[in-house]
Amino acid sequence: AQKVTQAQTEISVVEKEDVTLDCVYETRDTTYYLFWYKQPPSGELVFLIRRNSFDEQNEISGRYSWNFQKSTSSFNFTITASQVVDSAVYFCAPYYGNNRLAFGKGNQVVVIP
Amino acid sequence: ETGVTQTPRHLVMGMTNKKSLKCEQHLGHNAMYWYKQSAKKPLELMFVYNFKEQTENNSVPSRFSPECPNSSHLFLHLHTLQPEDSALYLCASSSTRGETQYFGPGTRLLVL
Repeated sequence: AQKVTQAQTEISVVEKEDVTLDCVYETRDTTYYLFWYKQPPSGELVFLIRRNSFDEQNEISGRYSWNFQKSTSSFNFTITASQVVDSAVYFCAPYYGNNRLAFGKGNQVVVIP
Repeated sequence: ETGVTQTPRHLVMGMTNKKSLKCEQHLGHNAMYWYKQSAKKPLELMFVYNFKEQTENNSVPSRFSPECPNSSHLFLHLHTLQPEDSALYLCASSSTRGETQYFGPGTRLLVL
């Protein structure tokens, strides 16, 4: 199975600080998609962002930004000026084809007011 | 209703009961998925349906029986479950295979 590593189990930040979540994945594929999802305490997985493996341009969307480095198989995600509502578990999920999103174990983010 | 809905949101059942989980998507998608999320484990894909046809069964025990009567509805029939089946069951849909999956709120299942 292709592996996804989110090394930071729990991250605590004070409100308004930035938080960066690391994701490293293994793949033998040359073309794939990368996703980040957020899971608040309610349980629903909320889609945040999607990248194609052939597009390494990094972007910013509101308070979210991401850094995709294909050469190192990393897809890091940053929340700028964190808010209490950002407290959730964040999942990195590469899609390799055949219907499979490969979820990591997730990063628990706690934003302290 | 919008997005992906799931009922019930919470379910407690005994090991001899039979129950069903329901998922409905209002997004016009053609692919639907069941996932299981146990405590401290990554999400596990259980079943995939594409245009009402099952395209993947990820070695799921037969006590879980999916049904997809149309592209908008997906059921998971449960019978003679075990306590270790207690988990959050998430439904998702996507326009086609490979596209972004949108998830429902999940059903928290407790098997006693």
